[in-house]
Amino acid sequence: AQSVAQPEDQVNVAEGNPLTVKCTYSVSGNPYLFWYVQYPNRGLQFLLKYITGDNLVKGSYGFEAEFNKSQTSFHLKKPSALVSDSALYFCAVWEGNYQLIWGAGTKLIIKP
Amino acid sequence: DAGVIQSPRHEVTEMGQEVTLRCKPISGHDYLFWYRQTMMRGLELLIYFNNNVPIDDSGMPEDRFSAKMPNASFSTLKIQPSEPRDSAVYFCASSSPRSSWGNEQFFGPGTRLTVL
Repeated sequence: AQSVAQPEDQVNVAEGNPLTVKCTYSVSGNPYLFWYVQYPNRGLQFLLKYITGDNLVKGSYGFEAEFNKSQTSFHLKKPSALVSDSALYFCAVWEGNYQLIWGAGTKLIIKP
Repeated sequence: DAGVIQSPRHEVTEMGQEVTLRCKPISGHDYLFWYRQTMMRGLELLIYFNNNVPIDDSGMPEDRFSAKMPNASFSTLKIQPSEPRDSAVYFCASSSPRSSWGNEQFFGPGTRLTVL
């Protein structure tokens, strides 16, 4: 069965420092991988996705993610964190039939 | 496009009452998803539709929950009777495989349900 794991419930980063939010996956075929962000009292918003091609995917708000097939990972990164990046981040993998399998979410806290 | 529209944004009701949540997907999207989000269980897929037909309702917690999609622009999620443990934020999302975004799902703002 396909699955997604986000091993960290919370990540704390100082403003201006690089950030990484981790995601690993398990799929039977080629993965379609996604990152979404949820700000307080809002719905989820699409950040970026990997389907094929370049392993480094660039998305909204300066975020990027690196697909690593050998490590089955799709970590979210940003070179310099902003306080406004504080939010809940979800990794997801496409199962087929257009249903996404979601990770549990990682709370990102950026401290001034 | 106005995005996915959900109503009401907040609902407070008493145990035993019927609750109806509404969703209008993005025009042209042929997939519609209902999710529930709680602190304890995270984000759960309840049911999804394709071309107004329910495809997978295995996430619906029990018979008290039902969902319909009478046409391409409207869906409802009904809880009858409601219980305090149903308190959560309910999200509706839509997607279109024919869009340039592939399988990206577009989420509504959610309905925060409180059952007293």
